[in-house]
Amino acid sequence: DAGITQSPRHKVTETGTPVTLRCHQTENHRYMYWYRQDPGHGLRLIHYSYGVKDTDKGEVSDGYSVSRSKTEDFLLTLESATSSQTSVYFCAISEGWGQGSGANVLTFGAGSRLTVL
Amino acid sequence: QKEVEQDPGPLSVPEGAIVSLNCTYSNSAFQYFMWYRQYSRKGPELLMYTYSSGNKEDGRFTAQVDKSSKYISLFIRDSQPSDSATYLCAVETAGNMLTFGGGTRLMVKP
Repeated sequence: DAGITQSPRHKVTETGTPVTLRCHQTENHRYMYWYRQDPGHGLRLIHYSYGVKDTDKGEVSDGYSVSRSKTEDFLLTLESATSSQTSVYFCAISEGWGQGSGANVLTFGAGSRLTVL
Repeated sequence: QKEVEQDPGPLSVPEGAIVSLNCTYSNSAFQYFMWYRQYSRKGPELLMYTYSSGNKEDGRFTAQVDKSSKYISLFIRDSQPSDSATYLCAVETAGNMLTFGGGTRLMVKP
């Protein structure tokens, strides 16, 4: 998946435990995103980053926090996992808009499947 | 009302058929319209995108935008079993963020 690595790819955890998902890119793209994908809801934006230590909330940010201390790494943390956070999580990167094509084209990682029991 | 609506399918067609996948959107200010393809247990990958209205063709794939009716379509000619996947439409909304439809699952049978 073109320069994006997500880890872990699969995780089963229990309600109330903390969970951290990692996204690592080798493309040096400025923008990084975390989405969750659920049946009937499609892809929904959780948080995104527009630079080191610069992050903002997306559509479904409650219960999630993020950090970006280096250009290449974007971490998603569930402080106290709940069953409603069982989902497939996708990291995505983009160079941003106006970079030649004009469109904000996202490249996605392979996904991290999280099950909260 | 969701910003982007998409029929979830599944849509089952025989090999060689012409496939039409569709989405509707709510805001006439949207300018960029994208189609992503997602194979099972993989991440979405960009197929193509269009700016404003009109058609865009890439091999067997044609993307079409009708801004007057807020309708976007993806046509696949001579469909192949390898086209079996979930197709996600997306629009670029305020702040250049992408909003995705729920995806349509397509199955092309040999």
